[in-house]
Amino acid sequence: GENVEQHPSTLSVQEGDSAVIKCTYSDSASNYFPWYKQELGKGPQLIIDIRSNVGEKKDQRIAVTLNKTAKHFSLHITETQPEDSAVYFCAASNYGNNRLAFGKGNQVVVIP
Amino acid sequence: DVKVTQSSRYLVKRTGEKVFLECVQDMDHENMFWYRQDPGLGLRLIYFSYDVKMKEKGDIPEGYSVSREKKERFSLILESASTNQTSMYLCASSFPRKGYEQYFGPGTRLTVT
Repeated sequence: GENVEQHPSTLSVQEGDSAVIKCTYSDSASNYFPWYKQELGKGPQLIIDIRSNVGEKKDQRIAVTLNKTAKHFSLHITETQPEDSAVYFCAASNYGNNRLAFGKGNQVVVIP
Repeated sequence: DVKVTQSSRYLVKRTGEKVFLECVQDMDHENMFWYRQDPGLGLRLIYFSYDVKMKEKGDIPEGYSVSREKKERFSLILESASTNQTSMYLCASSFPRKGYEQYFGPGTRLTVT
């Protein structure tokens, strides 16, 4: 099955700086790559996703890039704010099976 | 807004007890999922269901069973709780025909003593 690895496990950034989280996946058949954000005391929530026919997608301060050849994808957060502090999960899926394989999560701490 | 609710936020049970965790979604979603979340291990899929009375094992089904008698409700059952099942349990649902986004509930923190 799909194996998703996520690095680094913890990331601290100064407010206003950029944060980058990288994930790798193992199954070349995966074609959907979402990112979820989990705030304290809440369930994860989708913040952005990308499909395999697209190399980059942006939504305000967040962007995701995908390199299918290398089988890795990254989340970029620019101009970080304290409310960006959370755990971020990457995931990968093949449309056919409705399942998501999640990475282990990344704790992002934005220092005011 | 999609809403996924879980029956309890916190639950304390004794070893050997039978435990029911309930999840309800209000958006007529076909797929429902149970995950457990442990520090350093991320989200691991226990079971999922793609229709009423249908279920499939996830990555860690041992010690768990599920029930889906109605489309909106998906129950996770620990037949005989053990201390290694102390964890955060998250339920999610999705509607494949509208994409693959999974909507999560707030989680149930289960402690087995």
